[in-house]
Amino acid sequence: DIQMTQSPSSLSASVGDRVTIACRASQSISTYLHWYQQKPGKAPYLLIYAASSLQSGVPSRFSGSGSGTDFTLTISSLQPEDFATYYCQQSYTTPITFGQGTRLEIK
Amino acid sequence: QITLKESGPTLVKPTQTLTLTCTFSGFSLNTSGVGVGWIRQPPGKALEWLALIYWNDDKRYSPSLKSRLTITKDTSKNQAVLTMTNMDPVDTATYYCAYRGSGAGYFDYWGQGTLVTVSS
Repeated sequence: DIQMTQSPSSLSASVGDRVTIACRASQSISTYLHWYQQKPGKAPYLLIYAASSLQSGVPSRFSGSGSGTDFTLTISSLQPEDFATYYCQQSYTTPITFGQGTRLEIK
Repeated sequence: QITLKESGPTLVKPTQTLTLTCTFSGFSLNTSGVGVGWIRQPPGKALEWLALIYWNDDKRYSPSLKSRLTITKDTSKNQAVLTMTNMDPVDTATYYCAYRGSGAGYFDYWGQGTLVTVSS
């Protein structure tokens, strides 16, 4: 199985901050890497697919980069509605695997 | 507009079999490249992929749960069904179904999820 490791596991930040979340795969996955946002009691919501493509309707302050084993999700200027948990997911091969999540909290 | 909704029991006893149904609209599981996946999330924990069924009836399972899982589809009813045998309290989780389009393997639409509790 391909292991997905996110860092940090939790993060405190303020509105307006620039935030970066990292995701590392245990082997190369090309750009088969996707990012989701999840708020409490809600289903995950796709933000970024194929490492860097912004899903339709997602604000442009979200961006993704990387290929191979190392990926990042960046929020350029945090908004109050961005405080949530973020997950990466690889689809390079089955079993599909998710990262353990990064909880973004208000400082 | 694509929507999905999970249905099934909210409480099952240990050793019982869980059957969950995903009823969807806005797409067909006959369309090339399309799939429906099942993902679960224990309370306070991370997402865990369980199974995926494709338009051509190809099926993939989590290796750690493969012996307990069966995924099927009924294209006439626009449904995908997941069965999990020998339920245990550790299987308590919110179970989601999600749409996988013909793109790079991401899930771009999700159901609201259904919480299944395993307890005697």
